[in-house]
Amino acid sequence: KAGVTQTPRYLIKTRGQQVTLSCSPISGHRSVSWYQQTPGQGLQFLFEYFSETQRNKGNFPGRFSGRQFSNSRSEMNVSTLELGDSALYLCASSLGVSYYEQYFGPGTRLTVT
Amino acid sequence: DQQVKQNSPSLSVQEGRISILNCDYTNSMFDYFLWYKKYPAEGPTFLISISSIKDKNEDGRFTVFLNKSAKHLSLHIVPSQPGDSAVYFCAAGRDNQGGKLIFGQGTELSVKP
Repeated sequence: KAGVTQTPRYLIKTRGQQVTLSCSPISGHRSVSWYQQTPGQGLQFLFEYFSETQRNKGNFPGRFSGRQFSNSRSEMNVSTLELGDSALYLCASSLGVSYYEQYFGPGTRLTVT
Repeated sequence: DQQVKQNSPSLSVQEGRISILNCDYTNSMFDYFLWYKKYPAEGPTFLISISSIKDKNEDGRFTVFLNKSAKHLSLHIVPSQPGDSAVYFCAAGRDNQGGKLIFGQGTELSVKP
């Protein structure tokens, strides 16, 4: 079974621009969660989507948004990029019924200059 | 408010010996706990999980122990191998919060030949 895939793997953007990241979950998984990893803050939860609905949200500003499609693929969007948004963005998928196993993708490294 | 803490940023162990990684949490409402292993520039790899109703779970060389009264969990790796060298994260979640995981800051394990 293929793992979680994320595209693109690397991105360089300029302050003020917006960016869209994509995540394809493991086949059969209906839940996709997004996390931000930075050296100072560690891994922080952004939001979770289940059956095309946002089910949980972390403490991030409204510039961070996401969506999920009927095939469970998910996208996250960051608008008006700031230097502090430079991070590794990770998505994880799970069945959505039990969360004892969440599987992560390789991440998208976003650099904002 | 750091609900999940890994107080040791690093740990060095000799090959063949036991590695013990520790994690403390403050929220008694957590329903499950997970351990992940992470290499640089990769997403976390799921290792093992434990429900809050259990006190031990074993999978091959990996055993997780949960002490609810102390709000403490530990991951034992026996025997340790050089390939185990990585950053280990513990994470916790609640059943009613779906795919939202709270992560510790990580412990870098180095297994020396």
